[in-house]
Amino acid sequence: GAGVSQSPSNKVTEKGKDVELRCDPISGHTALYWYRQSLGQGLEFLIYFQGNSAPDKSGLPSDRFSAERTGGSVSTLTIQRTQQEDSAVYLCASSFGLVGGYTFGSGTRLTVV
Amino acid sequence: AQSVTQPDIHITVSEGASLELRCNYSYGATPYLFWYVQSPGQGLQLLLKYFSGDTLVQGIKGFEAEFKRSQSSFNLRKPSVHWSDAAEYFCAVGGTGNQFYFGTGTSLTVIP
Repeated sequence: GAGVSQSPSNKVTEKGKDVELRCDPISGHTALYWYRQSLGQGLEFLIYFQGNSAPDKSGLPSDRFSAERTGGSVSTLTIQRTQQEDSAVYLCASSFGLVGGYTFGSGTRLTVV
Repeated sequence: AQSVTQPDIHITVSEGASLELRCNYSYGATPYLFWYVQSPGQGLQLLLKYFSGDTLVQGIKGFEAEFKRSQSSFNLRKPSVHWSDAAEYFCAVGGTGNQFYFGTGTSLTVIP
């Protein structure tokens, strides 16, 4: 597609439920990233996929968080047993190498009640 | 370790006034540097980037930034701010493994 697409744009879930957030990167972009942006905060790196290499999961805050990228394209970020502190905007970005910079999606706003 | 500091959390300027947003970075090699803008409810949009060569880079929407190696800075400037420039601005440095390191952002308010 022309841009990075994320769905849903908004998600309200009850504490303890699992959620899945989807990211569809720009076609041909080999790298895909997930970031979290809490209210009034900067961007917190979560996970990075590059081609067929093992993902860099160093930013995942707990084992409740996981992500996969199927076929080198679409990625799903899963949060199990959601907590209120998980409420944030989850941003996905893709790139083709470092020099191009990232292209970000519009994000998924997650609210845990 | 790589890091980015944006010392100004919030800046207010009058429409038509000049703007400078500060960014300092820590990186062991020649950095890749970026500025992004985030309008309310939107994702981040790339304003400009620096990799090498001319230290003054031009971006979209009339923005420019100057890389100063001696000061480890990459400040964003605009000579005349428009009301539509009100947004959150993020500076980022490219690190190892294609990961970017972002500053905590500067919120810009433009008053008529």
